[in-house]
Amino acid sequence: QAGLTQPPSVSKGLRQTATLTCTGNNNNVGNQGAVWLQQHQGHPPKLLSYRNNNRPSGISERFSASRSGNTASLTITGLQPEDEADYYCSAWDSNLSAWLFGGGTKLTVL
Amino acid sequence: EVQLVESGGGLVQPGGSLRLSCAASGFTFSNYGMNWVRQAPGKGLEWVSHISGSGSPIFYADSVKGRFTISRDNAKNSLYLQMNSLRDEDTALYYCARGTIDYWGPGTLVTVSS
Repeated sequence: QAGLTQPPSVSKGLRQTATLTCTGNNNNVGNQGAVWLQQHQGHPPKLLSYRNNNRPSGISERFSASRSGNTASLTITGLQPEDEADYYCSAWDSNLSAWLFGGGTKLTVL
Repeated sequence: EVQLVESGGGLVQPGGSLRLSCAASGFTFSNYGMNWVRQAPGKGLEWVSHISGSGSPIFYADSVKGRFTISRDNAKNSLYLQMNSLRDEDTALYYCARGTIDYWGPGTLVTVSS
């Protein structure tokens, strides 16, 4: 089961804006939308966004998600030191009947 | 408050078996599908298996099909993963995650080594 495609790393400066991408196909991202997760070292993943741009309660408005075709994006504005983490996208694949994950993007805040 | 707590991890030899459990609270367990997701040391997330709220249907990743069995007991608000014929590459932190992977437990570590 091939996964979704994410860039391995992104580096941005403090208070800047970072946009992370996630590419799938018509059976997953293009169909069901993507879920975005944040994982700090030594901690379980935390949901940031589901079905493209729905934020769970308690998640900062600085995190916003969108989708264009088979590519989902997570935009983080006003970067803070605590945003430095690994970010994963995921989507249910209706053809494979499986959750697919991207390889993760390590975000560094300079 | 939704809580998921995994248990049952440990050190096992290649070819051995282990049964993981996940205790759920803070939501109506039977209304939600549940998943097992694993993360090898220093690696990314890998989905392992999904079971619907009623117990069927069930889906597995190709990497564990035929070796792992997911099950649930809605009366006990518990999710299980029976792992047989374990391999070195099954070494990972195993998480249970609710439905659309919106809530995750802290994970339980499985180490397969001789």
